[in-house]
Amino acid sequence: DIKMTQSPSSLSASLGERVTISCRASENINNILAWYQKKEDGSVKLLIYYTSNLQSGVPSRFSGSGSGKDYSLTISGLESEDIATYYCQQGYTPPTFGAGTKLELK
Amino acid sequence: EVQLVESGGGLVQPGRSLKLSCAASGFTFSDYNMAWVRQAPKKGLEWVATISYDGSSTYYRDSVKGRFTISRDNAKSTLYLQMDSLRSEDTATYYCARPSTRGYFDFWGPGTMVTVSS
Repeated sequence: DIKMTQSPSSLSASLGERVTISCRASENINNILAWYQKKEDGSVKLLIYYTSNLQSGVPSRFSGSGSGKDYSLTISGLESEDIATYYCQQGYTPPTFGAGTKLELK
Repeated sequence: EVQLVESGGGLVQPGRSLKLSCAASGFTFSDYNMAWVRQAPKKGLEWVATISYDGSSTYYRDSVKGRFTISRDNAKSTLYLQMDSLRSEDTATYYCARPSTRGYFDFWGPGTMVTVSS
């Protein structure tokens, strides 16, 4: 199975700050990479698919980039509603997720 | 609006069985593959199983093969997960999710908690 390594595991940031989360695959995943947001209430939401495509309804402050093994999620201008845990996921079979990045307010 | 709502979670003893359901609405259920994803306490998300749109193909993670069975009733727009021979390591919140052809999950239910403990 493809292993996904996410960093950092936790992150403290201020409102308005630019935040970047990284994800590295154990092999080339050819941009088949998605990002999810999981809130404290347990709800999970798709943010970005195929590395950089914004899911409908997701604010434009979220963006994704990367290629090969290395990918990142950026929030340009943190808002209070963005406080959550973020997961990357590669889309080959079987699908596997990163361990998550817990984003907190400084 | 796409909605997925799981039910059937609860406390069960090791070795016993439990069946989860996921009621889908807001889309043509029979056109889509469906999946279960779980998250154990203080752990990450973990794919469990996927079923094809017509139920003809199923896929499982190794740790649940032979113990869990994913199925669907397209007439009722409902997805199921029959979990047998449950182990403590199956304790998790189980999410119903809709996989896309590109390998990501575009809609998720709120989850149902399963606790395996004596």
